[in-house]
Amino acid sequence: GAVVSQHPSRVICKSGTSVKIECRSLDFQATTMFWYRQFPKQSLMLMATSNEGSKATYEQGVEKDKFLINHASLTLSTLTVTSAHPEDSSFYICSARDRRGANGYTFGSGTRLTVV
Amino acid sequence: GENVEQHPSTLSVQEGDSAVIKCTYSDSASNYFPWYKQELGKRPQLIIDIRSNVGEKKDQRIAVTLNKTAKHFSLHITETQPEDSAVYFCAASEGFSGSARQLTFGSGTQLTVLP
Repeated sequence: GAVVSQHPSRVICKSGTSVKIECRSLDFQATTMFWYRQFPKQSLMLMATSNEGSKATYEQGVEKDKFLINHASLTLSTLTVTSAHPEDSSFYICSARDRRGANGYTFGSGTRLTVV
Repeated sequence: GENVEQHPSTLSVQEGDSAVIKCTYSDSASNYFPWYKQELGKRPQLIIDIRSNVGEKKDQRIAVTLNKTAKHFSLHITETQPEDSAVYFCAASEGFSGSARQLTFGSGTQLTVLP
């Protein structure tokens, strides 16, 4: 089945530094990648939609200059949290849809970001 | 945009009993409704999904029903087992065909199956 590989799974960084999270579709082409953020005991909230070869679309309230998204190829999308602060600590997870598998959405394994 | 509401937020059942989780959605254009099981720190796992051209779908102990008119869908788990304990999310998407659209998630239900 469709697989999305997400790295790193866990990262601890200092306040003010930047962290890059990668999502790769391993056996299908992901023209669209969705980036979600999940705080403890809460639901997955869409942050942005990443489209290959074009600018990402950000949800209301999500700072595009803070959460940089690059979707340079059909198999790779990256999310960079810039100048991270403790309130950015969260579980970040990507998702893409493999059109071969009807409507199935495939999720990455998630990244637990802790900013200290 | 789409708004998905999910109830209850927590649900405790005795092993062997049934569990029902309900969701409503607002966008009549939504046509795909998956249910996910998420264990702590893990990715959501698809357990069952239904499209708007179907009213009910069953897979062993799990079933989903959809009422398009009322815009609500429900997850039914029968003969619950302790390993069913997890957080369950419903979701909705206008992604039946054409470009991929984002999933809008419900707020989640913490299911606890008591042995």
